[in-house]
Amino acid sequence: ETGVTQTPRHLVMGMTNKKSLKCEQHLGHNAMYWYKQSAKKPLELMFVYNFKEQTENNSVPSRFSPECPNSSHLFLHLHTLQPEDSALYLCASSSSLAAYEQYFGPGTRLTVT
Amino acid sequence: GQSLEQPSEVTAVEGAIVQINCTYQTSGFYGLSWYQQHDGGAPTFLSYNGLDGLEETGRFSSFLSRSDSYGYLLLQELQMKDSASYFCAVPVTGGYQKVTFGTGTKLQVIP
Repeated sequence: ETGVTQTPRHLVMGMTNKKSLKCEQHLGHNAMYWYKQSAKKPLELMFVYNFKEQTENNSVPSRFSPECPNSSHLFLHLHTLQPEDSALYLCASSSSLAAYEQYFGPGTRLTVT
Repeated sequence: GQSLEQPSEVTAVEGAIVQINCTYQTSGFYGLSWYQQHDGGAPTFLSYNGLDGLEETGRFSSFLSRSDSYGYLLLQELQMKDSASYFCAVPVTGGYQKVTFGTGTKLQVIP
C-alpha cells in the first residue's frame, strides 16, 4: 500500500448505529487530519493530530470521536449521528512542519439515514 | 480568523490558458497552497508559494503577491482532464500548523 488509505469507502448507517472510519498513511508523516466535505461547501477541518497528540478540535460535536494510536493510523468513531452529518470524510497527512502540503486519502462517503 | 475567496466557476476552452484567483485575509500569513480535486476524488497537492513571485511546474504555475493578499493558479495548454475543482489554502499556526481551505473554483474545460 502506498500513500493514504481509508476504509470503508462507502458507509450507510442509521442514527442509532456506531461505526468507525479508518485511515492509514504510508508516507512517514507525523501529522494527520480529518476533514468533512459537504456538497458545495469548502473542506472543513475537524481534527488535527501531531505525533499522536490531538492539537486541534474544530468545535466538532462529541458524536465524532477521533483516535490516533500511532503516527500512521487515525480513526474516527461515529455514534448517534444526524442526517446532516452525511458527507465525504477525508483523511490527510503531512509533515508537521509542512501542513501546506497534505496528502489525502480517497475518503469515506457517509450516508446517515 | 482566515477567509479565502475564489470564483465559484470558470469555463475555458481546451488548449487555452486559464487563471484562477484567490484573495485572502488572514491573521498571520505563511504562504499559499493549491489543490486539485476531480469529481468523486480526493484533493491532490499542486503547489505552494512561500515567497512572492511565480512558481512553475509543467503546465501549471502559481503566483503570490503578499502585498496584495492575492494569488493565482495558471493552467496552460488546457486539457479535458483539467476539469476539476481547484482550492487555494493557507497554513495557519497555533503551535502546530493547520490549513484553511478556500471555497474552491470548479473549472470546466470545453472542446
